[in-house]
Amino acid sequence: EPEVTQTPSHQVTQMGQEVILRCVPISNHLYFYWYRQILGQKVEFLVSFYNNEISEKSEIFDDQFSVERPDGSNFTLKIRSTKLEDSAMYFCASSGLGEQYFGPGTRLTVT
Amino acid sequence: KNEVEQSPQNLTAQEGEFITINCSYSVGISALHWLQQHPGGGIVSLFMLSSGKKKHGRLIATINIQEKHSSLHITASHPRDSAVYICAVTPLGSARQLTFGSGTQLTVLP
Repeated sequence: EPEVTQTPSHQVTQMGQEVILRCVPISNHLYFYWYRQILGQKVEFLVSFYNNEISEKSEIFDDQFSVERPDGSNFTLKIRSTKLEDSAMYFCASSGLGEQYFGPGTRLTVT
Repeated sequence: KNEVEQSPQNLTAQEGEFITINCSYSVGISALHWLQQHPGGGIVSLFMLSSGKKKHGRLIATINIQEKHSSLHITASHPRDSAVYICAVTPLGSARQLTFGSGTQLTVLP
């Protein structure tokens, strides 16, 4: 069964450093998403991506965040200058016209 | 403003019991999703529905669009059903993204 994969599973970084979280969506999907979940809180939408551009972004997705689909398979989330409050689980998801399929998540710890 | 409310927040049941988790939402939606989050954090989609009722194995999801309410039922519950169940909606006019509820922690005891 096709699945969404994410790397790394856990990333530890120092405040102010740049991180890139990587995702490989399901190959025939057209819509891609990033969500985050701070420990103990609900999942929050960050950004959606379709046809090589951002479809919608939340208030959380400010100038320190960017997304890219650099080739036909990867979908990345870059955080330029990490803050302590960026510590969270980051989930990538992809979909066709129906339900979304989630990756296993990347746990980002900013120290 | 909480657009998606779930109840109860926590639920403990004995194996074999019939379980109901409720979800209310305040915005117009194009679809409602029920998701399961495992203790390790992974999220699995259980149902996506925009009307009526869907069934998959022991799981049943219903939605009442007029009342802005959905329920997830689990029949003959089993300890392996223990997880967080999350209701999420795709708001009308959005680019398919999900707005999540806070989840219901279900524990099924043997």
